[in-house]
Amino acid sequence: QVQLQESGPGLVQPSQTLSLTCTVSGGSISSGDYYWSWIRQHPGKGLEWIGYIYYSGSTYYNPSLKSRATISVDTSKNQFSLKLNTVTAADTAVYYCARAPFRGTNSRGPFDYWGQGTLVTVSS
Amino acid sequence: DIVMTQSPDSLAVSLGERATINCKSSQNLLYSSNNNNYLAWYQQRPGQPPKMLIYWASARDSGVPDRFSGSGSGTDFTLTISSLQAEDVAVYYCQQYYSTPLTFGGGTKVEIK
Repeated sequence: QVQLQESGPGLVQPSQTLSLTCTVSGGSISSGDYYWSWIRQHPGKGLEWIGYIYYSGSTYYNPSLKSRATISVDTSKNQFSLKLNTVTAADTAVYYCARAPFRGTNSRGPFDYWGQGTLVTVSS
Repeated sequence: DIVMTQSPDSLAVSLGERATINCKSSQNLLYSSNNNNYLAWYQQRPGQPPKMLIYWASARDSGVPDRFSGSGSGTDFTLTISSLQAEDVAVYYCQQYYSTPLTFGGGTKVEIK
């Protein structure tokens, strides 16, 4: 049974960089069968896709983040990571990692497994 | 970007009654080459991550009770809970995976009347 687990600081100061890692167990990122995503949910609000990465390092981002997001993968550790720079209070949210089946270059299935999520608060 | 619009924002249904949630996309989600609608439904209980219920607009995920069903094609989709149970209290989201950026509906909160 695949499991995803987010980790990282729960508090980030404004203008700094938010850094999170998702550790995947029960399956290999290197299999090439999935895209690996970050999704966030502002308190009491809906879901916003941040971006995803393929095991090869190919990435796709939501333009709404205005190029502040960077997703990377470490296949040796079976992890992928998110960095979001120049954060403000508007970046306070629960951040989820999730996987979606690979169906071709920039073609994918739905999010079939999610992590439990981690709350990141941006505050001084 | 494909905009996903859900209705209603919330609904209260008696136990055992039917709940119907609508989702409309701003663009066609039917991919002609494989005749699949790139639309999924998720359930999010309080304090939990979303859980996939339905994919390809009408395919029920493994282990999802058969009281949940999805229908629709193109730009108009529906999630139906045929007989509401107490454990179905949650927020439900539709999501398109047809094109990036991937987008979600605003959510529909289902409560017990």
